[in-house]
Amino acid sequence: GESVGLHLPTLSVQEGDNSIINCAYSNSASDYFIWYKQESGKGPQFIIDIRSNMDKRQGQRVTVLLNKTVKHLSLQIAATQPGDSAVYFCAENPRGGYQKVTFGIGTKLQVIP
Amino acid sequence: DTEVTQTPKHLVMGMTNKKSLKCEQHMGHRAMYWYKQKAKKPPELMFVYSYEKLSINESVPSRFSPECPNSSLLNLHLHALQPEDSALYLCASSQGRNDPSPLHFGNGTRLTVT
Repeated sequence: GESVGLHLPTLSVQEGDNSIINCAYSNSASDYFIWYKQESGKGPQFIIDIRSNMDKRQGQRVTVLLNKTVKHLSLQIAATQPGDSAVYFCAENPRGGYQKVTFGIGTKLQVIP
Repeated sequence: DTEVTQTPKHLVMGMTNKKSLKCEQHMGHRAMYWYKQKAKKPPELMFVYSYEKLSINESVPSRFSPECPNSSLLNLHLHALQPEDSALYLCASSQGRNDPSPLHFGNGTRLTVT
């Protein structure tokens, strides 16, 4: 579920290290999950998606893991670069309601050069 | 550059003004969305158009009026807004078929209501 707060969770990572960003979702009817990256002054940008019939999907330097038992999603970024600095949102879609996309609270990733 | 274009980038308006936000996409997508995003918060869904028909209205106040003139264009008409309506307004599109697909966002209109 979502929590209401004034502060965005922040993850600080050394350049070259791997990053893991976590997300908990609340709707057990969610069928489709997406990670977005939002840089300052820009709209969210699609990174990777996964359907509920999968538990892992890999892209270029990114991997998404889905654990439906505990309703948990994670985004792994390999060899984190300064250009990866942004806010990362997970989003979920319920089965049969694919247009009703709900975003998680977001995590700010800061890459330390 | 994104494939979803929003204009204007910035807008300042008084509480008695009427203004419109515009959004355009040429990816052949048949679903278009308006989201509102406050600072340090996730985007919040406002409206969805599917095949040019309004399919979702998330109980948005009537001072926000969406319009979808054709499959490539989406407008958001603003009238008698309040200062708390100041936010980043994001337009997005998706393929719109029954299978899920990711949203493609524009870079938003930064709205300030004075």
